[in-house]
Amino acid sequence: DTEVTQTPKHLVMGMTNKKSLKCEQHMGHRAMYWYKQKAKKPPELMFVYSYEKLSINESVPSRFSPECPNSSLLNLHLHALQPEDSALYLCASSQLTSGGVSYNEQFFGPGTRLTVL
Amino acid sequence: SQKIEQNSEALNIQEGKTATLTCNYTNYSPAYLQWYRQDPGRGPVFLLLIRENEKEKRKERLKVTFDTTLKQSLFHITASQPADSATYLCALDMKRSSGSARQLTFGSGTQLTVLP
Repeated sequence: DTEVTQTPKHLVMGMTNKKSLKCEQHMGHRAMYWYKQKAKKPPELMFVYSYEKLSINESVPSRFSPECPNSSLLNLHLHALQPEDSALYLCASSQLTSGGVSYNEQFFGPGTRLTVL
Repeated sequence: SQKIEQNSEALNIQEGKTATLTCNYTNYSPAYLQWYRQDPGRGPVFLLLIRENEKEKRKERLKVTFDTTLKQSLFHITASQPADSATYLCALDMKRSSGSARQLTFGSGTQLTVLP
């Protein structure tokens, strides 16, 4: 199984709502990532988890809260978002070397299209 | 500051010709460079990875070169087909100054259209 799955595919939420995005992979990858992608722009890294621990947070606002409950799952909890947070949210995973560093290709999910009203 | 540029936002070529896409970077010393394909509304799909000590990599109709002196990678699709139409992204690993964690930084992408 070389697939990364993301749910939901589409999400519309108000600025006061709380919602969660989910990502799952069963490739045994120990690095998982959240990216944000606006239209006609490249993916921008938000968070990196290595061995289920947060290793990189790219100064993301606290209204985005990541969680990695186990080695196969990655969540992104959303609260009090702004309309400018509307974007495609991509999850990815990759293998890690024995030193905990990823030199490998990343496998991306199809993304969740988020609209904040 | 670090910067990654892809030669053009859009590239149109005729079916059967070779498409050449360029990725230039400044102020980086990446250990490797990757190329991805992205179709509208979908996640990027990995195509090729080339390491700093490699000059060229091939996979079927795809070829990537990596010139660390020029700080440039070229991505070629030979015998192009309309199905090759997509956005192509180069991505460089960037070692974080605060530790050993690495991350990919993507170029802005080139939208390739292969005309029948």
